[in-house]
Amino acid sequence: DAGITQSPRYKITETGRQVTLMCHQTWSHSYMFWYRQDLGHGLRLIYYSAAADITDKGEVPDGYVVSRSKTENFPLTLESATRSQTSVYFCASSESLGQASQTSYEQYFGPGTRLTVT
Amino acid sequence: DQQVKQNSPSLSVQEGRISILNCDYTNSMFDYFLWYKKYPAEGPTFLISISSIKDKNEDGRFTVFLNKSAKHLSLHIVPSQPGDSAVYFCAASGDNDMRFGAGTRLTVKP
Repeated sequence: DAGITQSPRYKITETGRQVTLMCHQTWSHSYMFWYRQDLGHGLRLIYYSAAADITDKGEVPDGYVVSRSKTENFPLTLESATRSQTSVYFCASSESLGQASQTSYEQYFGPGTRLTVT
Repeated sequence: DQQVKQNSPSLSVQEGRISILNCDYTNSMFDYFLWYKKYPAEGPTFLISISSIKDKNEDGRFTVFLNKSAKHLSLHIVPSQPGDSAVYFCAASGDNDMRFGAGTRLTVKP
């Protein structure tokens, strides 16, 4: 199916474990993003990628690792999960990052992964 | 530091009335603004946007107003419908940065 998908949708893991959240998009969008959503903070950017093999830190990157070997995939890894990383994680993609122009460049979000770290 | 603020966590309006959601930003480098709508258990979906060269953009029942001097934007929904009940996120971008507000939960009562 066309669009952006995330897996798993729900995950429970223990403190200290490594966990990888998957994201796949079929639009061939250049940009991909990972956000976490927490009450009172809205959506905070963890990492983003402008193209395959190009990644950059967002607002809250500590404790996370990303890679992008293929344009369509952008996995997010928590190398040693902590309770503070309990959150809902959203992956998104877009054609561009943003410019002051008439061109709309909205981001398309996946359905989210609810991660609980015990 | 919250560069994009939505100071009202929730808003309740009657069906048929106007809903006004507000958003303030601090970074003068932001030059493109978007509103997203989010239903429970789903990802946010794009609603409407506005470039800094405009002060108003309209799409059906949704209108976004931008006041650059005040660093303030607002989303007007007229008339409000029960299906509009959702969390609304304001987003601002520019200078290779994008920030979201904390969201406002809108409830439209029949």
